[in-house]
Amino acid sequence: AQKITQTQPGMFVQEKEAVTLDCTYDTSDQSYGLFWYKQPSSGEMIFLIYQGSYDEQNATEGRYSLNFQKARKSANLVISASQLGDSAMYFCAMRGGTSYGKLTFGQGTILTVHP
Amino acid sequence: DAGITQSPRYKITETGRQVTLMCHQTWSHSYMFWYRQDLGHGLRLIYYSAAADITDKGEVPDGYVVSRSKTENFPLTLESATRSQTSVYFCASREQGSFWEQYFGPGTRLTVT
Repeated sequence: AQKITQTQPGMFVQEKEAVTLDCTYDTSDQSYGLFWYKQPSSGEMIFLIYQGSYDEQNATEGRYSLNFQKARKSANLVISASQLGDSAMYFCAMRGGTSYGKLTFGQGTILTVHP
Repeated sequence: DAGITQSPRYKITETGRQVTLMCHQTWSHSYMFWYRQDLGHGLRLIYYSAAADITDKGEVPDGYVVSRSKTENFPLTLESATRSQTSVYFCASREQGSFWEQYFGPGTRLTVT
């Protein structure tokens, strides 16, 4: 079984500052993938970034980076230079190695960016 | 429209009624998924399908039925709706071998009164 834990129900950040959203995971699979999704108030799920368990380098996509620490089983999302439009719910999710791509989600973190 | 669509986008129904949520994707993706989103739980998998006529249960399948007679469609049926099934339902799809992509539909907000 897989489990994702997001311990921060809500986070606040000042515009233009960086913010880290925490995610820890648990799995017995050797091969797995970690995802971050953004859900704005409009409700759609927007894919942000992906990290495979065998990827040696941390994934980056524009202002988003994934701080992958395999030994600690953490996959934190770092958003640099926060913008007002970053205010949203953020979900960490995991895909197991033999799970047809099924995703297990964390509970989410609501990020609020202040001007 | 290209992509993955869900209908209806909003639905109010009464306890005990049968309701079907539709999901349609235009990419011919092999895998399709149904999730429900509830406060405090994130998204949880209800059912998934690896191909037409191949479906399997996810984490929270009770009270739901799925079918997949065509690759592009994956309807979710609540046989006898209960208030606990009030939720936002997301359909998703991905292509076989594309492990890092999963495309989500816009969601259906279902209220059971």
